Formats: sequence, C-alpha cells, structure tokens
Amino acid sequence: GAGVSQSPSNKVTEKGKDVELRCDPISGHTALYWYRQSLGQGLEFLIYFQGNSAPDKSGLPSDRFSAERTGGSVSTLTIQRTQQEDSAVYLCASSSPGGASYEQYFGPGTRLTVT
Amino acid sequence: GQQLNQSPQSMFIQEGEDVSMNCTSSSIFNTWLWYKQDPGEGPVLLIALYKAGELTSNGRLTAQFGITRKDSFLNISASIPSDVGIYFCAGRPTSGTYKYIFGTGTRLKVLA
Repeated sequence: GAGVSQSPSNKVTEKGKDVELRCDPISGHTALYWYRQSLGQGLEFLIYFQGNSAPDKSGLPSDRFSAERTGGSVSTLTIQRTQQEDSAVYLCASSSPGGASYEQYFGPGTRLTVT
Repeated sequence: GQQLNQSPQSMFIQEGEDVSMNCTSSSIFNTWLWYKQDPGEGPVLLIALYKAGELTSNGRLTAQFGITRKDSFLNISASIPSDVGIYFCAGRPTSGTYKYIFGTGTRLKVLA
C-alpha cells in the first residue's frame, strides 16, 4: 500500500517568509509525528497527533512553528517568519498505535533551505 | 530534546565483516525500533522489538531487546556495500506515551 508522502520534497525560501509543509500519512494510521533533522544529526521531535486528542506540542522550538491535522488525516506544519537556523529536513511519520503495533513509518522528508 | 546514547557514532568496516551497534538509556522502554536511513531519504524501519530479551532477525540483521529494558543491540552479519547508511534506534518510554526517543545514529561505511 501507499506509504507516508510529503510535499514539497525541497523548499527554498527567503528569510522572513512563511512556509507550509504537508504530510499525508498511511491510510488508517491514527498517529502522526513531525520531526526535524539537521545535517548529519539525529531526529528532533516536534509535535505528535493521536486521534482526536490534543496534540503534544512539547517539541516545537518556538511559537513560529505550528501544525494542524485536518480530518484526522493530512497534516500541515507551518513555519512563520523563517530563520536560517530553520534549514533542515522535516520528516513526518505515522503509526497505528494499539495492539502490538507501535511502529512508526516515515515519509521521504522535505528539505527546507532558508536563504 | 532527550536522546538515547547510541554507539559507535561511526564505523568503517570491510565487506563481509559483522557489525554491532547499541543504544543505552537511563530509562526503561516498552518498545525498541531500529531504522536505516540512506542519504536524502527518510528512515526505513528494519526491526521492531516489544519484549525484554526478545531476539528478532530480518535477513542478515538481528536485534535484541536488552533484559534490563534500558538497552538494545543491532547486529549485521556479512556486511555488503549497500549496508552503508545511518542506523538509528528509537525507544518508547513506559509512561504510556506513543512518542519515541531517537538515538544519535551510527554512520556505517563499508569498504569493498
């Protein structure tokens, strides 16, 4: 079946502009995660959605970052007034918690470059 | 944010050699996942572990859930050039959350 998809695959923006990154999770997956990965680094947790529960926003680095998930499926990560330090790969993952399956499946990522 | 201690950070090995890497934590985990990430790609799930002491294989890969529940190990046997990449562990704490904590990664390079 189709995996997690993300768009765009690459985004170059000028400092100060807003950007929106999109994630389409695997169909039926109720949990959705956003991570940030700087060059050569590990994964930094940003935000987590689970069903209709309030999202866990504990990883968002500043109030310039926000995310929403519409209809329990597609999610959009928005970065306002982008800064050069926001340059990174933004990864989305989905999972279907419950039972024996807590496995997260990742999308290919969006590479964001702020100039 | 919090990260697991993953070692080694990088390793160069000869094709055909076996590889071992591990992750340790001060916290107890309920689940361990191992991923491989190729350049420009998202991490791909290799093995999932759910019980302390569990040993699971996926082809030439074998992973174990440490009996203390604070560590996990990944072994790759008879490495080949396509094994090159970054390997990440991820642990799910026992606090009932579905969030994972990720290791810092092991960068593997295989010399033909």
